[in-house]
Amino acid sequence: QKEVEQNSGPLSVPEGAIASLNCTYSDRGSQSFFWYRQYSGKSPELIMFIYSNGDKEDGRFTAQLNKASQYVSLLIRDSQPSDSATYLCAATPRSGGYNKLIFGAGTRLAVHP
Amino acid sequence: GAVVSQHPSWVICKSGTSVKIECRSLDFQATTMFWYRQFPKQSLMLMATSNEGSKATYEQGVEKDKFLINHASLTLSTLTVTSAHPEDSSFYICSARAGRDEQFFGPGTRLTVL
Repeated sequence: QKEVEQNSGPLSVPEGAIASLNCTYSDRGSQSFFWYRQYSGKSPELIMFIYSNGDKEDGRFTAQLNKASQYVSLLIRDSQPSDSATYLCAATPRSGGYNKLIFGAGTRLAVHP
Repeated sequence: GAVVSQHPSWVICKSGTSVKIECRSLDFQATTMFWYRQFPKQSLMLMATSNEGSKATYEQGVEKDKFLINHASLTLSTLTVTSAHPEDSSFYICSARAGRDEQFFGPGTRLTVL
């Protein structure tokens, strides 16, 4: 079992819709969770991080964490074509001493006009 | 804030040569930096954790004698790929930790070994 799992997609949504990206993790002791966006040929860019159960909103982005279900999601409201990218979920597992990020394989999002 | 630079952004070298990649945190001090490698259409794979003033911690399967890491200051870590071979061709990305656990990534270095 991979430590952080994501559906590879592609997830296709129309412009203006809500894109919902999901991620599960296997280490129940994982402490911190991150969403990165990566455009093709570029390095990852941090979008949001979340440490506590519940929702965290930042502009058009909302991260949701449910530690009991070992599940973290990212909602993108009013999706734009410029949001088309690969979204990487990452966690700091206890198995790594909370010192390193373990990344999922990423979900490719395509927002079409 | 939290800007990380990498140099060079791309490099082409002959098989058997060594290549050094620099990673700098520009506006903050980073006691811990990380080196990742990413092959096409794959996710980031952590190669090693670099701590200022001490030896790097390598992930399983990463040869420490081939990928030399030096973290001599709080703003600079270097990765040297020694005796590079075509299979080492990849996108190498560094990150630096700031805040609680957040990592900020450099722009990456694309290495092509002929």
